[in-house]
Amino acid sequence: GESVGLHLPTLSVQEGDNSIINCAYSNSASDYFIWYKQESGKGPQFIIDIRSNMDKRQGQRVTVLLNKTVKHLSLQIAATQPGDSAVYFCAEMAGSGGGADGLTFGKGTHLIIQP
Amino acid sequence: DAGVIQSPRHEVTEMGQEVTLRCKPISGHDYLFWYRQTMMRGLELLIYFNNNVPIDDSGMPEDRFSAKMPNASFSTLKIQPSEPRDSAVYFCASSPHPSGRDHEQYFGPGTRLTVT
Repeated sequence: GESVGLHLPTLSVQEGDNSIINCAYSNSASDYFIWYKQESGKGPQFIIDIRSNMDKRQGQRVTVLLNKTVKHLSLQIAATQPGDSAVYFCAEMAGSGGGADGLTFGKGTHLIIQP
Repeated sequence: DAGVIQSPRHEVTEMGQEVTLRCKPISGHDYLFWYRQTMMRGLELLIYFNNNVPIDDSGMPEDRFSAKMPNASFSTLKIQPSEPRDSAVYFCASSPHPSGRDHEQYFGPGTRLTVT
């Protein structure tokens, strides 16, 4: 989801359930995408990344799906735990073939895990 | 490794004062980034360096902002004079030369700046 000003989209799920966080990106030239997790009072922390030549990548309890046709990215978290409560950001980078570049971040989604 | 180190963690200053934020990147990382985070605008890239050289400063809001990287282990972001609208959390991040997991950026804990 996209931010609407001061209020982040919020996703509330029961502990143990799976969660899906969505992100739409705007730059069709972006070829590298990252999901970050940010806990209160901390800096963003890398979760998983994916290149544009892939449509799915799996990590530990997390899966990222990329749909370049509609410029959509999703993060799936399996069997959510209380420690998963955080704000999740998608980030995109264009022209990553030659070197690092700054990331363009989405506005974030607040994931709340209900006990 | 201790990760990216930022200081101070919190800064409260009055409008018009000079503010200097500091960052020590992870040793061996060739890239250093400065970001600003606000509720309204989210995370925004301000400037980044490669091998101590500024590469892209198009995100720097205005001339009141300046950033330097005198050596591979230290960078500063300076705001002079500061204004209340500069209040935000400022993050420094570093990244190794693209290889392996490529462009993962490691973020510091941030400096929360409040300008009154």
